[in-house]
This record gives sequence, C-alpha cells and structure tokens, in this order.
Amino acid sequence: GAGVSQSPSNKVTEKGKDVELRCDPISGHTALYWYRQSLGQGLEFLIYFQGNSAPDKSGLPSDRFSAERTGGSVSTLTIQRTQQEDSAVYLCASSLVPGSGYEQFFGPGTRLTVL
Amino acid sequence: AQSVTQPDIHITVSEGASLELRCNYSYGATPYLFWYVQSPGQGLQLLLKYFSGDTLVQGIKGFEAEFKRSQSSFNLRKPSVHWSDAAEYFCAVGEGSNTGKLIFGQGTTLQVKP
Repeated sequence: GAGVSQSPSNKVTEKGKDVELRCDPISGHTALYWYRQSLGQGLEFLIYFQGNSAPDKSGLPSDRFSAERTGGSVSTLTIQRTQQEDSAVYLCASSLVPGSGYEQFFGPGTRLTVL
Repeated sequence: AQSVTQPDIHITVSEGASLELRCNYSYGATPYLFWYVQSPGQGLQLLLKYFSGDTLVQGIKGFEAEFKRSQSSFNLRKPSVHWSDAAEYFCAVGEGSNTGKLIFGQGTTLQVKP
C-alpha cells in the first residue's frame, strides 16, 4: 500500500508570505505527527493528532504555526508570515494508533526555504 | 525531561568493517527506544526498536542494538558495513505518554569508504 506522502516536496517562499504544507497519512492510521528537521535544532516534534484533534501542540514554535486535520486523514501545516528561521525540512509521520509502542511511518518531507 | 545524545556527529568506516553508533538517553522509567535511518532525500525508516524483554534486538538490514540500562545506552551495531549503509542515523526515545511523541538525538552521519 501507499506510504505517507507530503506535498510539495520543495517550497521556496519570500519572507512574510504564508505557506501550507500537506500530509497524506497511511490509510487507517489514526495518529499523525509533524516534526521539523533543521540544521541547528535537529529533529523536533511539532504537533500530534489523534483523529482530528490535536492533544499535543507543545512543539509549535510560535503562534504563526498552526495545523489541522480533516476527516481523520489529510493534515495541513500552515506557517503565517514566514521568517528565515522557519527554513527546514518538515516531516510528517503516521501510526496505526498513538503510543510509543507503535511504529511511526515517515513521509519524505517538505523542504521549505524562506528567502 | 527526556533527552537523547548521539556523541558522534560524523563517522567514517571502510566497507566490510564493523560499525557501532553510540546513543545515550535520559529517561526516568523503562524507555521505548528506536533507531531510524535517513538516506539522502528520503524520509526516516525504522531500523529497530526496544520496548522490553531481551536487551539485544535485531533489526532490518543486518543491524542490531543492545539496551544497557546501567549505562543508559542503546548502541547500534553492524558486523560488516556495506556502501549502501551510508546515511544519517537517528536514535530516539518515546516520550512515554500515550501520544507516542519521539525525542530524537542530533543524528550521526555515516560515511563508508570503498
């Protein structure tokens, strides 16, 4: 079956613009995670969804970042008024159910460059 | 708070040589531990995981890791490295709640010399 897909694969934007990053999880996976991979910070957790709810948003860096999930499936990560420090690879992962005992399957990521 | 340390940022080994990548964690209880590999332009792929039981776990691609509670370590090993193993390797600990949130180390880049 299909894995986790993300779009776009690359996004170049100008400082101050808004961007939307999309994640399509594996069908039937109820848990969805967003992580950010940047040179200075490594791999950081951003937000976690259980179904359409986000019980843990603790990793979102600022109120410019938001995310939603609809239909228990597709998720969109939105960054408003992008800054150069937002440049990173944004990774999405899904698992059958939430919990550390369940493997997270990762997508290929979206590379965001803010000029 | 949980944390993961990978002391080696970059390692170079010759093809056919053995490999050990170090990982140390900080966690109060029995941790959920993972090793992921990331090839250039690819997402992360799970190599192996430890939850409980036998402290030596086998993974894909000939990798194994040993959990040592006394040393708070979960080192990754491979007896004979192949050129295709060149990639970045991440150790991670499960955050411990029901969310499954992963805390990652900084990663180790493996270069394989022919």
